[in-house]
Amino acid sequence: SAVISQKPSRDICQRGTSLTIQCQVDSQVTMMFWYRQQPGQSLTLIATANQGSEATYESGFVIDKFPISRPNLTFSTLTVSNMSPEDSSIYLCSVAFLSSYEQYFGPGTRLTVT
Amino acid sequence: GENVEQHPSTLSVQEGDSAVIKCTYSDSASNYFPWYKQELGKGPQLIIDIRSNVGEKKDQRIAVTLNKTAKHFSLHITETQPEDSAVYFCAGMNSGGYQKVTFGIGTKLQVIP
Repeated sequence: SAVISQKPSRDICQRGTSLTIQCQVDSQVTMMFWYRQQPGQSLTLIATANQGSEATYESGFVIDKFPISRPNLTFSTLTVSNMSPEDSSIYLCSVAFLSSYEQYFGPGTRLTVT
Repeated sequence: GENVEQHPSTLSVQEGDSAVIKCTYSDSASNYFPWYKQELGKGPQLIIDIRSNVGEKKDQRIAVTLNKTAKHFSLHITETQPEDSAVYFCAGMNSGGYQKVTFGIGTKLQVIP
């Protein structure tokens, strides 16, 4: 398994601003992912964070809105840019190992945009 | 792509009774099926998983069954306790390529003391 931390745990932001969410893992992992979970809903994959290269985005998500960095095997950031109230959601980081199918989630960042 | 359907969306059981949550998947190439428990204000926690070469797996009070022919898999919780109250998500994954997991809509389980 892996211990995953996210910062901040929650934030309230004004529309038009940007927020960067950090994800730190206690061991080197192959795969890192970013998900969005709207209130009372399931998890939607935003993108796969690739170490040393551009992230792979899912349909409906674009780099200009959700730029992602992954400078090494234990750390990634997701930025939510030019925020609107529709971006209010929980953002979750997850990790997986090459040797296992298992995927582990961080505690999430609860974002409210006013 | 994969589509995972989950039901029921809500489930209430008396403490001590059993709870069953069912899921179906569409992609016959999917071969890994995890279940997650999400408590209020927390991230999803992997509680059990099953691979397509296995029909059933147990871990104490929880078990998962898989019917590859029918593309069904289910979570069974026996002797439910109030701390089992949470939202449960099933998921499916085709291990080919990167590990993209498709989640069901979730089941809110309430165990009534």
